[in-house]
Amino acid sequence: GAVVSQHPSWVICKSGTSVKIECRSLDFQATTMFWYRQFPKQSLMLMATSNEGSKATYEQGVEKDKFLINHASLTLSTLTVTSAHPEDSSFYICSARGRQGSMELFFGEGSRLTVL
Amino acid sequence: RKEVEQDPGPFNVPEGATVAFNCTYSNSASQSFFWYRQDCRKEPKLLMSVYSSGNEDGRFTAQLNRASQYISLLIRDSKLSDSATYLCVVNIRADTGRRALTFGSGTRLQVQP
Repeated sequence: GAVVSQHPSWVICKSGTSVKIECRSLDFQATTMFWYRQFPKQSLMLMATSNEGSKATYEQGVEKDKFLINHASLTLSTLTVTSAHPEDSSFYICSARGRQGSMELFFGEGSRLTVL
Repeated sequence: RKEVEQDPGPFNVPEGATVAFNCTYSNSASQSFFWYRQDCRKEPKLLMSVYSSGNEDGRFTAQLNRASQYISLLIRDSKLSDSATYLCVVNIRADTGRRALTFGSGTRLQVQP
């Protein structure tokens, strides 16, 4: 199946700093990638849809100025958490569809962010 | 009401048992349904798609009931390795016309020796 790689797996940062998370499709081109956030014992919540070459589409309640998404190439999308606060501590996961028309999602390994 | 609802569990069952989970969805226009498995602190992985006629993959059987708007997952002969959280995923079309895969909160299964 398709492979999606995410980096870093773990990150600890101080409050007020910015953190960038990368999501790469390793063996396929992904015009669309999805970013999710998951708090402990809760479901994955879609934050935004990342579109290659255009602006991301954010879900209601997600601040686009705080969670910057860039999808500059067909294999890379980045999520930057700006001015991170402790309440931003969460598990962030990206995903992509392996092929056009398929509904199956392939997920990155996830990035666990802890803001002190 | 949540768009996709699951019993969070945990379901504690002995090895070899048969266990079933249900998942209800609120949007009758939903067209695609899936079960994903998520191990602790790992990413979700597709377990199986759910077809209208029902489908089986080894010990796993998935069924769709459109009239009552729920899908089910049946696991026979449970193994210790089946311990995980099972996520129900539904492709929902929003009022805007945009489709999105919506995840349930998951049902935790713990198979005990």
